[in-house]
Amino acid sequence: AQSVTQPDIHITVSEGASLELRCNYSYGATPYLFWYVQSPGQGLQLLLKYFSGDTLVQGIKGFEAEFKRSQSSFNLRKPSVHWSDAAEYFCAVGQGGSEKLVFGKGTKLTVNP
Amino acid sequence: KAGVTQTPRYLIKTRGQQVTLSCSPISGHRSVSWYQQTPGQGLQFLFEYFSETQRNKGNFPGRFSGRQFSNSRSEMNVSTLELGDSALYLCASRLGPGYNQPQHFGDGTRLSIL
Repeated sequence: AQSVTQPDIHITVSEGASLELRCNYSYGATPYLFWYVQSPGQGLQLLLKYFSGDTLVQGIKGFEAEFKRSQSSFNLRKPSVHWSDAAEYFCAVGQGGSEKLVFGKGTKLTVNP
Repeated sequence: KAGVTQTPRYLIKTRGQQVTLSCSPISGHRSVSWYQQTPGQGLQFLFEYFSETQRNKGNFPGRFSGRQFSNSRSEMNVSTLELGDSALYLCASRLGPGYNQPQHFGDGTRLSIL
């Protein structure tokens, strides 16, 4: 069965600093990969997705992610973090055929002024 | 365009009771998925419905069930509630099956079991 690992439970960065959130997946075939963000008391919002093609994908709110097959990774990046980016971020992998999403445990991002 | 609407937002029940949660998808969306979110287990897939048919089911006991109506609205039911069922239940809708159709999530129903 596929799995998703987000090694960092909590990350703190200063506003304006760069950000990288790590995600590793375990899946035999080419995965469908997603990053979602969840603000307190709200549902999940899709930031970006990777299905195939260019391994660097651009998303909303200035986020991007790079798919690296050799490392089974799909790390999320942002060059300059804003205070409004404070939230919890979830990486997910889609299982081909059944289309259900398997989520990582999430990384909580705190942004210091 | 209205988003995914989940009702109620908060619910308190006691052990042994049953509960029904409701989800109204975005207009035109025919696929609805349900997820359970807890601090310990994270986000776990419950089931997905499309055109009133359950397409996929997660690894949850039979106490968890769902259905979808002809207008694409969906309900999930949990019977004989246990303390461990306390969670945020999220509903997501999309136009139809397929990963090229992004899922749009509601704000969830927070269920607390006393």
